[in-house]
Amino acid sequence: NAGVTQTPKFRVLKTGQSMTLLCAQDMNHEYMYWYRQDPGMGLRLIHYSVGEGTTAKGEVPDGYNVSRLKKQNFLLGLESAAPSQTSVYFCASSYSIIMRGYTFGSGTRLTVV
Amino acid sequence: GQQLNQSPQSMFIQEGEDVSMNCTSSSIFNTWLWYKQDPGEGPVLLIALYKAGELTSNGRLTAQFGITRKDSFLNISASIPSDVGIYFCAGQLQGSARQLTFGSGTQLTVLP
Repeated sequence: NAGVTQTPKFRVLKTGQSMTLLCAQDMNHEYMYWYRQDPGMGLRLIHYSVGEGTTAKGEVPDGYNVSRLKKQNFLLGLESAAPSQTSVYFCASSYSIIMRGYTFGSGTRLTVV
Repeated sequence: GQQLNQSPQSMFIQEGEDVSMNCTSSSIFNTWLWYKQDPGEGPVLLIALYKAGELTSNGRLTAQFGITRKDSFLNISASIPSDVGIYFCAGQLQGSARQLTFGSGTQLTVLP
């Protein structure tokens, strides 16, 4: 049981390049989330999904897009990377009853130069 | 925006000391959770609290759900080097069934 798997773990992009971060969970969770973590800022929600085929904006959605074509996968896309998007990105998933909390992946460290 | 105030932001303590951190809000929460993040890893759930006044322990960790439902604290007793990391509080806001709200974290350093 792998839990939540994020790929890649590290990536360096040039300004203006695009990329997709993949999150996969094998726990049959309905809800999935993308967060970014920056020093002193805690975890900020980018986008989330409450089920296959659905997505919604979080606190800091600008510059990102997401897709949830399959229940187990949640993709985060950067269309034109900017240095301000240098961050550590975490994916999380949860049951529909979020009282049980989230299960997090181990993160993707992205640097945009 | 951020609706949870977590304090302190950072702590430096000697091995063996007890630690206390808390989260407060002006809003009412239905659930409080405490996570720990080790360097280079994602946060891992430590304790979940579901009822006002609830006091729950997990080994050397003890957490409480405030009576007013607007706060929670986490205590760590007899700290050890592996307690180093970032501790986050998180809560499910009343009326928000789809996502958790996170505090900004407490960076804990344990000195030998």
